[in-house]
Amino acid sequence: DAGITQSPRHKVTETGTPVTLRCHQTENHRYMYWYRQDPGHGLRLIHYSYGVKDTDKGEVSDGYSVSRSKTEDFLLTLESATSSQTSVYFCAISRDRGNYGYTFGSGTRLTVV
Amino acid sequence: DQQVKQNSPSLSVQEGRISILNCDYTNSMFDYFLWYKKYPAEGPTFLISISSIKDKNEDGRFTVFLNKSAKHLSLHIVPSQPGDSAVYFCAASAGAKNNDMRFGAGTRLTVKP
Repeated sequence: DAGITQSPRHKVTETGTPVTLRCHQTENHRYMYWYRQDPGHGLRLIHYSYGVKDTDKGEVSDGYSVSRSKTEDFLLTLESATSSQTSVYFCAISRDRGNYGYTFGSGTRLTVV
Repeated sequence: DQQVKQNSPSLSVQEGRISILNCDYTNSMFDYFLWYKKYPAEGPTFLISISSIKDKNEDGRFTVFLNKSAKHLSLHIVPSQPGDSAVYFCAASAGAKNNDMRFGAGTRLTVKP
Protein backbone atom coordinates (compact mmCIF):
# COMPACT_ATOMS: atom_id res chain seq x y z
CA ASP A 1 0.00 0.00 0.00
CA ALA A 2 1.47 3.34 -1.06
CA GLY A 3 0.21 5.02 2.14
CA ILE A 4 2.62 3.13 4.37
CA THR A 5 6.21 2.18 3.70
CA GLN A 6 8.76 0.29 5.74
CA SER A 7 12.52 0.49 5.47
CA PRO A 8 14.67 -1.40 5.05
CA ARG A 9 12.87 -4.35 3.45
CA HIS A 10 15.63 -6.76 4.41
CA LYS A 11 18.44 -6.54 6.93
CA VAL A 12 21.07 -8.88 8.28
CA THR A 13 22.80 -7.80 11.45
CA GLU A 14 25.09 -9.24 14.07
CA THR A 15 24.12 -10.16 17.60
CA GLY A 16 24.61 -7.26 19.98
CA THR A 17 24.33 -4.47 17.43
CA PRO A 18 21.58 -1.83 17.54
CA VAL A 19 19.03 -1.85 14.75
CA THR A 20 16.36 0.68 13.82
CA LEU A 21 13.42 -0.04 11.55
CA ARG A 22 11.40 2.78 10.08
CA CYS A 23 7.73 3.05 9.29
CA HIS A 24 6.48 6.02 7.29
CA GLN A 25 2.83 6.85 6.52
CA THR A 26 1.22 9.45 4.33
CA GLU A 27 -2.36 8.89 5.58
CA ASN A 28 -2.13 11.14 8.63
CA HIS A 29 -3.50 8.31 10.77
CA ARG A 30 -3.23 8.75 14.50
CA TYR A 31 -2.48 5.16 15.46
CA MET A 32 0.63 3.23 14.45
CA TYR A 33 1.70 -0.26 15.45
CA TRP A 34 4.69 -2.56 15.25
CA TYR A 35 4.08 -6.30 14.98
CA ARG A 36 6.35 -9.26 14.52
CA GLN A 37 5.35 -12.39 12.65
CA ASP A 38 6.78 -15.74 13.58
CA PRO A 39 5.76 -19.26 12.49
CA GLY A 40 3.18 -20.72 14.84
CA HIS A 41 2.53 -17.38 16.52
CA GLY A 42 0.89 -15.24 13.90
CA LEU A 43 1.29 -11.53 14.47
CA ARG A 44 2.18 -10.23 17.92
CA LEU A 45 2.06 -6.60 18.97
CA ILE A 46 5.39 -5.11 20.08
CA HIS A 47 4.54 -1.44 20.65
CA TYR A 48 1.98 1.02 19.45
CA SER A 49 1.53 4.76 19.29
CA TYR A 50 -1.61 6.81 19.74
CA GLY A 51 -0.06 10.14 18.85
CA VAL A 52 3.19 12.07 18.61
CA LYS A 53 5.36 11.13 21.57
CA ASP A 54 2.58 8.87 22.91
CA THR A 55 3.50 5.20 22.89
CA ASP A 56 2.71 2.09 24.87
CA LYS A 57 3.86 -1.50 25.17
CA GLY A 58 2.29 -4.47 23.49
CA GLU A 59 2.39 -8.18 24.10
CA VAL A 60 6.10 -8.74 23.30
CA SER A 61 7.85 -5.46 24.05
CA ASP A 62 10.95 -6.71 25.88
CA GLY A 63 14.14 -5.79 24.00
CA TYR A 64 12.40 -3.18 21.85
CA SER A 65 11.88 0.55 22.08
CA VAL A 66 9.96 2.95 19.86
CA SER A 67 9.79 6.61 19.10
CA ARG A 68 7.34 8.85 17.30
CA SER A 69 8.49 12.42 16.90
CA LYS A 70 6.27 13.12 13.88
CA THR A 71 2.82 11.88 12.93
CA GLU A 72 4.16 10.17 9.84
CA ASP A 73 7.12 8.28 11.31
CA PHE A 74 7.25 5.45 13.84
CA LEU A 75 10.65 3.95 14.60
CA LEU A 76 11.32 0.56 16.16
CA THR A 77 14.73 0.07 17.77
CA LEU A 78 16.37 -3.11 18.91
CA GLU A 79 18.93 -1.81 21.37
CA SER A 80 21.08 -4.95 21.23
CA ALA A 81 19.85 -7.45 18.69
CA THR A 82 19.55 -11.13 19.65
CA SER A 83 18.93 -14.19 17.51
CA SER A 84 15.42 -14.50 19.02
CA GLN A 85 14.57 -11.20 17.34
CA THR A 86 15.04 -12.72 13.90
CA SER A 87 11.58 -12.22 12.45
CA VAL A 88 9.45 -10.38 9.95
CA TYR A 89 8.36 -7.02 11.30
CA PHE A 90 5.20 -5.31 10.16
CA CYS A 91 4.09 -1.77 10.75
CA ALA A 92 0.38 -0.97 10.69
CA ILE A 93 -1.72 2.18 10.85
CA SER A 94 -5.31 2.88 11.76
CA ARG A 95 -7.46 5.96 11.49
CA ASP A 96 -8.99 5.92 14.90
CA ARG A 97 -9.35 3.97 18.08
CA GLY A 98 -12.26 1.98 16.92
CA ASN A 99 -12.82 -1.34 15.36
CA TYR A 100 -11.30 -0.70 12.00
CA GLY A 101 -9.13 -2.94 9.94
CA TYR A 102 -5.51 -1.97 10.04
CA THR A 103 -3.44 -1.10 6.99
CA PHE A 104 -0.15 -2.95 7.04
CA GLY A 105 3.17 -2.20 5.44
CA SER A 106 5.00 -4.78 3.35
CA GLY A 107 7.26 -5.85 6.17
CA THR A 108 10.94 -5.91 7.07
CA ARG A 109 12.71 -9.26 7.20
CA LEU A 110 15.36 -9.02 9.92
CA THR A 111 17.97 -11.72 10.43
CA VAL A 112 20.24 -11.59 13.48
CA VAL A 113 23.34 -13.76 13.09
CA ASP B 1 -1.06 -17.41 25.91
CA GLN B 2 -2.71 -17.91 22.56
CA GLN B 3 -6.08 -16.22 22.93
CA VAL B 4 -6.92 -16.65 19.26
CA LYS B 5 -6.33 -20.06 17.74
CA GLN B 6 -6.38 -21.28 14.19
CA ASN B 7 -5.87 -25.01 14.56
CA SER B 8 -5.51 -25.82 10.88
CA PRO B 9 -2.15 -24.65 9.53
CA SER B 10 -3.21 -25.43 5.98
CA LEU B 11 -6.24 -26.13 3.82
CA SER B 12 -6.47 -27.25 0.21
CA VAL B 13 -9.65 -26.99 -1.86
CA GLN B 14 -10.64 -27.30 -5.48
CA GLU B 15 -11.49 -24.22 -7.50
CA GLY B 16 -15.20 -23.49 -7.41
CA ARG B 17 -15.76 -25.30 -4.12
CA ILE B 18 -16.29 -23.78 -0.69
CA SER B 19 -13.36 -22.93 1.58
CA ILE B 20 -14.06 -22.88 5.31
CA LEU B 21 -11.43 -21.44 7.63
CA ASN B 22 -11.95 -21.76 11.36
CA CYS B 23 -10.91 -19.73 14.35
CA ASP B 24 -11.45 -20.18 18.09
CA TYR B 25 -10.91 -17.68 20.86
CA THR B 26 -10.70 -17.91 24.63
CA ASN B 27 -11.16 -14.33 25.83
CA SER B 28 -14.83 -13.61 26.45
CA MET B 29 -14.08 -9.87 26.36
CA PHE B 30 -13.42 -10.00 22.61
CA ASP B 31 -16.29 -8.35 20.82
CA TYR B 32 -14.91 -7.56 17.39
CA PHE B 33 -13.39 -10.02 14.97
CA LEU B 34 -11.54 -9.58 11.72
CA TRP B 35 -10.02 -11.66 8.97
CA TYR B 36 -6.90 -10.65 7.12
CA LYS B 37 -5.41 -12.14 3.99
CA LYS B 38 -1.69 -12.24 3.33
CA TYR B 39 0.22 -12.97 0.15
CA PRO B 40 3.96 -13.81 0.25
CA ALA B 41 6.27 -10.80 0.65
CA GLU B 42 3.32 -8.51 1.35
CA GLY B 43 1.66 -7.21 4.47
CA PRO B 44 -1.71 -8.55 5.61
CA THR B 45 -4.75 -6.88 4.09
CA PHE B 46 -8.07 -6.47 5.83
CA LEU B 47 -10.75 -8.74 4.39
CA ILE B 48 -13.91 -8.75 6.47
CA SER B 49 -15.02 -8.15 10.05
CA ILE B 50 -17.91 -8.88 12.38
CA SER B 51 -19.15 -7.36 15.59
CA SER B 52 -20.32 -9.56 18.44
CA ILE B 53 -23.83 -8.18 18.09
CA LYS B 54 -24.12 -10.05 14.80
CA ASP B 55 -23.75 -13.69 13.91
CA LYS B 56 -23.11 -13.27 10.21
CA ASN B 57 -21.54 -10.74 7.88
CA GLU B 58 -21.33 -11.11 4.14
CA ASP B 59 -19.23 -9.34 1.53
CA GLY B 60 -19.40 -10.82 -1.93
CA ARG B 61 -17.86 -14.27 -1.93
CA PHE B 62 -16.77 -13.92 1.70
CA THR B 63 -18.98 -14.61 4.71
CA VAL B 64 -17.95 -14.65 8.34
CA PHE B 65 -20.00 -16.52 10.92
CA LEU B 66 -19.74 -15.95 14.64
CA ASN B 67 -20.88 -18.39 17.33
CA LYS B 68 -20.39 -16.55 20.60
CA SER B 69 -21.48 -19.38 22.84
CA ALA B 70 -18.83 -21.63 21.29
CA LYS B 71 -16.30 -18.81 20.99
CA HIS B 72 -15.85 -19.77 17.38
CA LEU B 73 -15.86 -17.98 14.08
CA SER B 74 -15.42 -19.15 10.55
CA LEU B 75 -14.72 -17.61 7.16
CA HIS B 76 -16.50 -19.07 4.15
CA ILE B 77 -15.29 -18.38 0.64
CA VAL B 78 -17.71 -19.37 -2.11
CA PRO B 79 -16.76 -20.10 -4.81
CA SER B 80 -13.06 -20.43 -4.15
CA GLN B 81 -10.68 -19.10 -6.79
CA PRO B 82 -6.95 -19.72 -7.33
CA GLY B 83 -6.30 -16.06 -6.47
CA ASP B 84 -7.65 -16.76 -2.99
CA SER B 85 -4.55 -18.84 -2.26
CA ALA B 86 -2.93 -17.01 0.65
CA VAL B 87 -2.47 -17.13 4.39
CA TYR B 88 -5.56 -16.07 6.33
CA PHE B 89 -5.28 -14.60 9.81
CA CYS B 90 -8.10 -14.36 12.28
CA ALA B 91 -7.92 -11.43 14.73
CA ALA B 92 -9.94 -10.28 17.72
CA SER B 93 -10.16 -7.19 19.86
CA ALA B 94 -11.96 -6.14 23.02
CA GLY B 95 -14.09 -3.09 22.31
CA ALA B 96 -12.50 0.31 22.24
CA LYS B 97 -9.24 -1.06 23.53
CA ASN B 98 -8.41 -2.46 20.13
CA ASN B 99 -4.79 -1.50 20.48
CA ASP B 100 -4.36 -5.00 21.83
CA MET B 101 -5.72 -6.83 18.82
CA ARG B 102 -4.75 -10.50 18.98
CA PHE B 103 -4.02 -12.60 15.93
CA GLY B 104 -4.16 -16.30 15.27
CA ALA B 105 -1.23 -18.18 13.78
CA GLY B 106 -2.80 -18.24 10.33
CA THR B 107 -4.12 -20.86 7.89
CA ARG B 108 -2.53 -21.30 4.50
CA LEU B 109 -5.25 -21.80 1.89
CA THR B 110 -4.40 -23.37 -1.44
CA VAL B 111 -7.05 -23.34 -4.15
CA LYS B 112 -6.24 -25.80 -6.93
CA PRO B 113 -7.40 -25.12 -10.50
